[in-house]
Amino acid sequence: NAGVTQTPKFRILKIGQSMTLQCTQDMNHNYMYWYRQDPGMGLKLIYYSVGAGITDKGEVPNGYNVSRSTTEDFPLRLELAAPSQTSVYFCATGPGARLYNEKLFFGSGTQLSVL
Amino acid sequence: DQQVKQNSPSLSVQEGRISILNCDYTNSMFDYFLWYKKYPAEGPTFLISISSIKDKNEDGRFTVFLNKSAKHLSLHIVPSQPGDSAVYFCAARTSGTYKYIFGTGTRLKVLA
Repeated sequence: NAGVTQTPKFRILKIGQSMTLQCTQDMNHNYMYWYRQDPGMGLKLIYYSVGAGITDKGEVPNGYNVSRSTTEDFPLRLELAAPSQTSVYFCATGPGARLYNEKLFFGSGTQLSVL
Repeated sequence: DQQVKQNSPSLSVQEGRISILNCDYTNSMFDYFLWYKKYPAEGPTFLISISSIKDKNEDGRFTVFLNKSAKHLSLHIVPSQPGDSAVYFCAARTSGTYKYIFGTGTRLKVLA
């Protein structure tokens, strides 16, 4: 099992360009998340999804779009890249059982620079 | 508005001693708390968790304490090992939701 797979691992964009960060999971988890990690700022929730066709905003959704057409995939779209979106992006999944032993599983991240 | 705060950006501890990492939160609707560990160039990995109905949870060298009245939790690592050197994040889940909010992280360095 691959777990949570993110592609690409690194990317440099020019201001105004667009791109899609891919996230695929083979854990059959209902819940998927996108976080960004900025230095000294911890992990900020961008968007999350509770299942195919259902998405919701997190703490910092502006400048991003998501879709969830399948259980396995949760791509994150940047339409007009800005320097403020330079960050490391992490995708995570969770079974969504709302139990007190639940945990999130993270991918290895995508390092994005917007210049 | 930072709902989950880790006020110590870094911590250095001698090998074999106790490491104590702290986390404060502001939202009284959080009902479940987790600690994650992150090595450079890797994603965070789950360490230990605690529900709001408990005040302590242990797993080997790791113990998490929760003080709901103070809205404070801490992670104790005993004894600390050089391999524990990493960034530690606390996270909290709002009751009735699946939103997990993370703190800013504490970089732990265990000195051999």
